[in-house]
Amino acid sequence: EAAVTQSPRNKVTVTGGNVTLSCRQTNSHNYMYWYRQDTGHGLRLIHYSYGAGNLQIGDVPDGYKATRTTQEDFFLLLELASPSQTSLYFCASSDDWDEQYFGPGTRLTVL
Amino acid sequence: QQKVQQSPESLIVPEGGMASLNCTSSDRNVDYFWWYRQHSGKSPKMLMSIFSNGEKEEGRFTVHLNKASLHTSLHIRDSQPSDSALYLCAASPANYGNEKITFGAGTKLTIKP
Repeated sequence: EAAVTQSPRNKVTVTGGNVTLSCRQTNSHNYMYWYRQDTGHGLRLIHYSYGAGNLQIGDVPDGYKATRTTQEDFFLLLELASPSQTSLYFCASSDDWDEQYFGPGTRLTVL
Repeated sequence: QQKVQQSPESLIVPEGGMASLNCTSSDRNVDYFWWYRQHSGKSPKMLMSIFSNGEKEEGRFTVHLNKASLHTSLHIRDSQPSDSALYLCAASPANYGNEKITFGAGTKLTIKP
């Protein structure tokens, strides 16, 4: 069974704060993704990467940075968090055409 | 911008009944469809994928795809309470795989015992 872990699982910060969400996969997958999930919108792709050092822009990238430091690790950075970024964040990994394997999610609240 | 529409938004089906969920893409370039299931408080897990016109069956689950209308449907027969979940449809264009995948907002399915 493919394994994707995320940390922290819950995070509360204030408007203007810095937040880093971490994701690690042990599947040897090339692709990693960051999504946000909000009621009525499903999953929306923020950024993705197809290898260490690579970063691609997704559909809703504004206010987010990301970095893929190794094959296993992918980070999402919110440098000036806003209340509109309150959401449930999922990381996923996959090979190109195969199913995506999702982590357990991080619930972020920006006050 | 690709858009994936799912209907209905929510559905209640009696235990043992048939659940039918629909999904349509507005992007003519879409070629591949996935169905993911997300139980409450959990992460999404892929249920089925379909890339060719026609029907695909796995146990109690059947997926249909009509590429001409960019419509896919998921049918669950003999529905069980454990099938209660959010069902997410996803689509992507040919040659892009997961890079251009777009998810719909989902159908919340509730199976009533």
